[in-house]
Amino acid sequence: DQQVKQNSPSLSVQEGRISILNCDYTNSMFDYFLWYKKYPAEGPTFLISISSIKDKNEDGRFTVFLNKSAKHLSLHIVPSQPGDSAVYFCAASASGGWGKLQFGAGTQVVVTP
Amino acid sequence: DTAVSQTPKYLVTQMGNDKSIKCEQNLGHDTMYWYKQDSKKFLKIMFSYNNKELIINETVPNRFSPKSPDKAHLNLHINSLELGDSAVYFCASNPRGATGANVLTFGAGSRLTVL
Repeated sequence: DQQVKQNSPSLSVQEGRISILNCDYTNSMFDYFLWYKKYPAEGPTFLISISSIKDKNEDGRFTVFLNKSAKHLSLHIVPSQPGDSAVYFCAASASGGWGKLQFGAGTQVVVTP
Repeated sequence: DTAVSQTPKYLVTQMGNDKSIKCEQNLGHDTMYWYKQDSKKFLKIMFSYNNKELIINETVPNRFSPKSPDKAHLNLHINSLELGDSAVYFCASNPRGATGANVLTFGAGSRLTVL
């Protein structure tokens, strides 16, 4: 039962352009959402997060948008850089859940010159 | 100085063997986890400990037994290894626990291959 879904397994984008990654969730108890970035043979590293009381959070080139009514969040990367080529995981947690994160399947981003 | 370190990074073994993966965090976090990334690339939680106490135990075969000697260490022992146990196992830690924003820090992973 996948409660967090990333329906695009891959995304190719030109350097300098915007990358948009999408994530949908089904559990209305989720109140905290995170994006992790993962390079091959490394562990996921935290990128950006958003609480359910907000609809947008920015950190440099990265912005996460949350649409609670649609149970949808997206990650925007502007401008995309070659070093952004990685797998991006969307994750969600619920209060009182001891930090248990439910992950999506990931989206492989390739930034081309 | 690695924040969450796992050993070994790679492990190749035969079916039926028993193996352990060790994890240590130097972040002073109270909560630690084991996640499994299977061949379909899904990351799924297996166990979580808070200050040496088991708090999350997902539907995992009894052959998997976590042990936390102190809050900085969480080891995973697997008995009678099966082919389906082949996966990458990630250890993670979290400064918080039951409440608050939970941002997990992950180790680099331990790739287990069962032949």
